[in-house]
Amino acid sequence: DGGITQSPKYLFRKEGQNVTLSCEQNLNHDAMYWYRQDPGQGLRLIYYSQIVNDFQKGDIAEGYSVSREKKESFPLTVTSAQKNPTAFYLCASSRGGPAAFSYNEQFFGPGTRLTVL
Amino acid sequence: GENVEQHPSTLSVQEGDSAVIKCTYSDSASNYFPWYKQELGKGPQLIIDIRSNVGEKKDQRIAVTLNKTAKHFSLHITETQPEDSAVYFCAASWGTGNQFYFGTGTSLTVIP
Repeated sequence: DGGITQSPKYLFRKEGQNVTLSCEQNLNHDAMYWYRQDPGQGLRLIYYSQIVNDFQKGDIAEGYSVSREKKESFPLTVTSAQKNPTAFYLCASSRGGPAAFSYNEQFFGPGTRLTVL
Repeated sequence: GENVEQHPSTLSVQEGDSAVIKCTYSDSASNYFPWYKQELGKGPQLIIDIRSNVGEKKDQRIAVTLNKTAKHFSLHITETQPEDSAVYFCAASWGTGNQFYFGTGTSLTVIP
């Protein structure tokens, strides 16, 4: 089955620890995204990547880092610098890269719920 | 940057009635407008989308309309069913591989 997987589903972290959230897709999509969702709010963009080895900051990148070494993988690290990391994190991908125009659909993974203890 | 506003934040309808959710956007360059349905504890699922060269699109009980002049677009769900209960998000973007701007969501409850 083609799709986006995120792991783990639930993650607990102690204050001061870094933690890495996994996102893998087998859709052969060029672009990948990380969003944060807080209760009763919309999705806010953390980072996105249009192509391997390239990524851009979104609206709330502070305290987060990413890498895009492989087309199918886009891990997100929540660092100790993120003051309020407890949230639901969603990864998404879309077919288009910087050269394409027609394929905008974003497909989402099931999410990871991060709780800081 | 783009700003997407979504109304209402909550909506309750009787089963069989219609539901309408409205979004406005600010950037006239936006050309792609998807709608997502999110069930509790899950990732959003794309349910319908519309591009700026189309004024209306329909898929069974779901339709989306777009008014480029007024910069607003709406989701219409007819003959609502309890399984339609979820949070619905609108979004706007331009180009591809670019940033999506999401509305704040509408929690729809369909009362049996």
